[in-house]
Amino acid sequence: EVQLVQSETEVTKPGATVKISCTVSGYTFTDYYLHWVQQSPGKGLEWMGLVDPEDGETTYAEKFQGRVAIAADTSTDTAYLELRSLRSEDTAVYYCATSTVSTDAFDIWGQGSLVTVSS
Amino acid sequence: EIVLTQSPATLSLSPGERATLSCRASQSGSNYLAWYQQKPGQAPRLLIYDASTRATGIPARFSGSGSGTDFTLTISSLEPEDFALYYCQLRSKRLTFTFGPGTKVEIK
Repeated sequence: EVQLVQSETEVTKPGATVKISCTVSGYTFTDYYLHWVQQSPGKGLEWMGLVDPEDGETTYAEKFQGRVAIAADTSTDTAYLELRSLRSEDTAVYYCATSTVSTDAFDIWGQGSLVTVSS
Repeated sequence: EIVLTQSPATLSLSPGERATLSCRASQSGSNYLAWYQQKPGQAPRLLIYDASTRATGIPARFSGSGSGTDFTLTISSLEPEDFALYYCQLRSKRLTFTFGPGTKVEIK
């Protein structure tokens, strides 16, 4: 069974950095892009960026460029999302997702990681 | 950057009725449009990809159509479990992705 298992809830302060993990199983990690999606409370979905685990190449959404880093560790089949200079607006659920049926659609999602930014 | 507009924002229908959801792109990106369903407290679920291909396990009452900048998701006969939020998503030529703001399908 293909699964993406994310790290748990984080509570952190403004200005800090948070790092969330997403461990995959049930498929070859390097076969598919791994994406990160933000969902703020009561809001819609926002694509943040992707990593190609095969070569580590990344693409980021303009909104998050400069503040986000996505990486893949092929030794542990784990992808990471790092978000720096946190502000209250970054309070959200962060999902990892992958595309096994098509390069362009996310068919497998993690359970989500809630990040709360509060002083 | 591509902007997706979904209409209507809210659709109030009764079980058994037909739902037609629209997604319009500000510019033509690709025909690789996807539709997702999301229920409270859950991750999104892929319904349709490549504009018209149903994902694995998705009932035949869900269908997608369209190309270029105009796409439609149709639910032929609403079941109680179909009342949820629906998002469209498009990939750009630069391999970036955009989601629409969503359409809420609620019980009338």
